[in-house]
Amino acid sequence: ETGVTQSPTHLIKTRGQQVTLRCSSQSGHNTVSWYQQALGQGPQFIFQYYREEENGRGNFPPRFSGLQFPNYSSELNVNALELDDSALYLCASSSGGVGATEAFFGQGTRLTVV
Amino acid sequence: AQSVTQLDSQVPVFEEAPVELRCNYSSSVSVYLFWYVQYPNQGLQLLLKYLSGSTLVKGINGFEAEFNKSQTSFHLRKPSVHISDTAEYFCAVNPQGGSEKLVFGKGTKLTVNP
Repeated sequence: ETGVTQSPTHLIKTRGQQVTLRCSSQSGHNTVSWYQQALGQGPQFIFQYYREEENGRGNFPPRFSGLQFPNYSSELNVNALELDDSALYLCASSSGGVGATEAFFGQGTRLTVV
Repeated sequence: AQSVTQLDSQVPVFEEAPVELRCNYSSSVSVYLFWYVQYPNQGLQLLLKYLSGSTLVKGINGFEAEFNKSQTSFHLRKPSVHISDTAEYFCAVNPQGGSEKLVFGKGTKLTVNP
């Protein structure tokens, strides 16, 4: 049990719609990272939030946005959904800051865009 | 920029046989190295990590990995696999001194047959 929970577990949306995915980080963790895992691929870094501020972003367009709340939970928002956005979205929490710490992953949200 | 190459997309083995999953990385800076396992419809679980020190790292479930700086490799091994080891395995890196924005390989599907 990692303590990182994501909701919903599965979601089907229509192209052009907007979606919000949620992540509750593990107790004591102040950093949340989001990854997109397309079918048959490794996870790709979307962005990271540290103490409510964006702390780095991968190669994703601005229609991918996020938030981190004072309790360190986080949301990933995707606007104008495209078919290629269909993927497993993973949230990882950690204690953050400089240096490598273990990132704990949630079970993921499977998003299907039709 | 860092990159990770997992040389085998699929590795079939028989139960109780040894297995090696290969991972090579490229980076202009020193990195931390990780192996994660993903069971079907699950998130990622950390198997082991190399931060510094001994180049032979032991992880959970009987897995170990060896860091070879000259060959920029971090191969994962297990002397005797079980059916329950069937899963997708991901190698990942992140730069030392940076926050944990992991760069993943494409994964290796390990299938253990009876």
